[in-house]
Amino acid sequence: QKEVEQNSGPLSVPEGAIASLNCTYSDRVSQSFFWYRQYSGKSPELIMSIYSNGDKEDGRFTAQLNKASQYVSLLIRDSQPSDSATYLCAVNGNTDKLIFGTGTRLQVFP
Amino acid sequence: DAGVIQSPRHEVTEMGQEVTLRCKPISGHDYLFWYRQTMMRGLELLIYFNNNVPIDDSGMPEDRFSAKMPNASFSTLKIQPSEPRDSAVYFCASSHEGLAAYNEQFFGPGTRLTVL
Repeated sequence: QKEVEQNSGPLSVPEGAIASLNCTYSDRVSQSFFWYRQYSGKSPELIMSIYSNGDKEDGRFTAQLNKASQYVSLLIRDSQPSDSATYLCAVNGNTDKLIFGTGTRLQVFP
Repeated sequence: DAGVIQSPRHEVTEMGQEVTLRCKPISGHDYLFWYRQTMMRGLELLIYFNNNVPIDDSGMPEDRFSAKMPNASFSTLKIQPSEPRDSAVYFCASSHEGLAAYNEQFFGPGTRLTVL
């Protein structure tokens, strides 16, 4: 079992819809969780971080964390074509290391 | 700040040659990370430094890979000898002081390595 698992996609949603990206992790002691966005040919950039159970909202983005289920998700409201990218879930335990999933490719079509 | 700087941006070499990748972290950042990204394996941590000291190199694939950080503003990742399976995009990232896990890692533009 991989430490951080994501559906590779592609996830296709129409413009204006809600995109839901999911991630599961295997290490129960994981403490911090991150969503990075990576455009094709570019480097990853952080868009959300979450440390406590529940929801965290930032503009059109909402991160959701459920430690009991070892599950973290990212919701993108009012999806735009510019949101088309690969979204990487990253998880950390009690070290300085981040473990990345292989990413979910999101396609937002007009 | 210019962000994390990596060079070269692209490298094409032949099997058996030595390859050196370079990274300049963001000024004031105490942590430096080297990652490798491939389609099959995703983004993998190779090694990371804290205050120029290697902390964890468990992700380094084998003895052909080595990394150094002689000072706070420069790090190298060397592959000798290179093999076709080393072809990937290599990213350098840096992070501010404190437990790096709670601080954003800023990624450089990456070096796309092709070994023929």
